[in-house]
Amino acid sequence: DAEITQSPRHKITETGRQVTLACHQTWNHNNMFWYRQDLGHGLRLIHYSYGVQDTNKGEVSDGYSVSRSNTEDLPLTLESAASSQTSVYFCASSESRRGRETQYFGPGTRLLVL
Amino acid sequence: AQKITQTQPGMFVQEKEAVTLDCTYDTSDQSYGLFWYKQPSSGEMIFLIYQGSYDEQNATEGRYSLNFQKARKSANLVISASQLGDSAMYFCAMRERGNSGYSTLTFGKGTMLLVSP
Repeated sequence: DAEITQSPRHKITETGRQVTLACHQTWNHNNMFWYRQDLGHGLRLIHYSYGVQDTNKGEVSDGYSVSRSNTEDLPLTLESAASSQTSVYFCASSESRRGRETQYFGPGTRLLVL
Repeated sequence: AQKITQTQPGMFVQEKEAVTLDCTYDTSDQSYGLFWYKQPSSGEMIFLIYQGSYDEQNATEGRYSLNFQKARKSANLVISASQLGDSAMYFCAMRERGNSGYSTLTFGKGTMLLVSP
């Protein structure tokens, strides 16, 4: 079955370290997204990609970067982790066709920055 | 102004009763989509139902229906015959095409639903 996976599922890191969160989907979806979820804020868009080599900034992109070298993967990098980046991170994907573009989510990664 | 507003931080309902979760939205786009997702305590985000702005009929998916009132910019989720397993956080989201030409989702802050026996 097609799926979207995230790794690691839990991560503890220290302030200032570079951290990369992996996202891999086997839906063959063109579109991939990264969100963070914080109490009282719902989900907020960090970065997104509408195809290989395409990346775009979302609402809360400062301190994060992504790259898209193939269809299946969109890794999220925290260049220099800050305590404010402690959060739950969700990756999602959707197919490019006119209509719903329903996003399907991975299981999430809990990140704690000490 | 918030694009998606969910005014009910928490809702209680008894098993087997129906419950309505409110969602209002704000957009100047003519073409947009509205989604509801469920997040149980285990944390995953589960897609429930979709309504397109041009859909004339309200969407239904099993026990879920979406009460779409376009003029009032509301897209309320109705869950009929609530079950204990419906206890979860529910998020309303809107898809619209931004200045980049790409479609993105904006989420509300969510409503926590608790179903009691």
